Amino acid sequence: AQSVTQLGSHVSVSEGALVLLRCNYSSSVPPYLFWYVQYPNQGLQLLLKYTTGATLVKGINGFEAEFKKSETSFHLTKPSAHMSDAAEYFCAVSAENDKIIFGKGTRLHILP
Amino acid sequence: EPEVTQTPSHQVTQMGQEVILRCVPISNHLYFYWYRQILGQKVEFLVSFYNNEISEKSEIFDDQFSVERPDGSNFTLKIRSTKLEDSAMYFCARKGAGSYEQYFGPGTRLTVT
Repeated sequence: AQSVTQLGSHVSVSEGALVLLRCNYSSSVPPYLFWYVQYPNQGLQLLLKYTTGATLVKGINGFEAEFKKSETSFHLTKPSAHMSDAAEYFCAVSAENDKIIFGKGTRLHILP
Repeated sequence: EPEVTQTPSHQVTQMGQEVILRCVPISNHLYFYWYRQILGQKVEFLVSFYNNEISEKSEIFDDQFSVERPDGSNFTLKIRSTKLEDSAMYFCARKGAGSYEQYFGPGTRLTVT
């Protein structure tokens, strides 16, 4: 079975500072990994994905994530936080038959 | 890539009533999914639908739930007799062409009173 663990339900960073949201996964087969973002009162938007190939993947809005098999991690980073990045971020893994398993989410707060 | 639209955006219903939530793909896709998110909790898989048949369903998706694509376009989720605990945000998703990611609609907020 697949599962995802997101460390920290809330993360606060100052505007301009590095954003690091942590995600660890468990999968019995090679995983497909995703980060989705949810802005207040909106749906889920795909930020980036890892399927195969390059382990450092770039997404929208300056975010990137690195797949580390040895650490079973897929942490999300952004070099410089912007106020507009305030949202909830979900790490997710694709399981058998394509269903997606989500983590519990991390709410990112940006401090002025 | 285009996503899907969902109607209504918000539905309020009384316990025991039937509700139908609709998902309208912008382009023709074969793979659809329903997820729900109870307030403050994580997004949970309900059911996947491929080529007009259920391909997988979760433990949450009991006999009170059903899905269909009645006219080859709209994709619906029906809850026959709603309970208070059905109150949640319901998301429809479609699978991207030739890949594993899914694209989500804006959701329907269901409130059961």
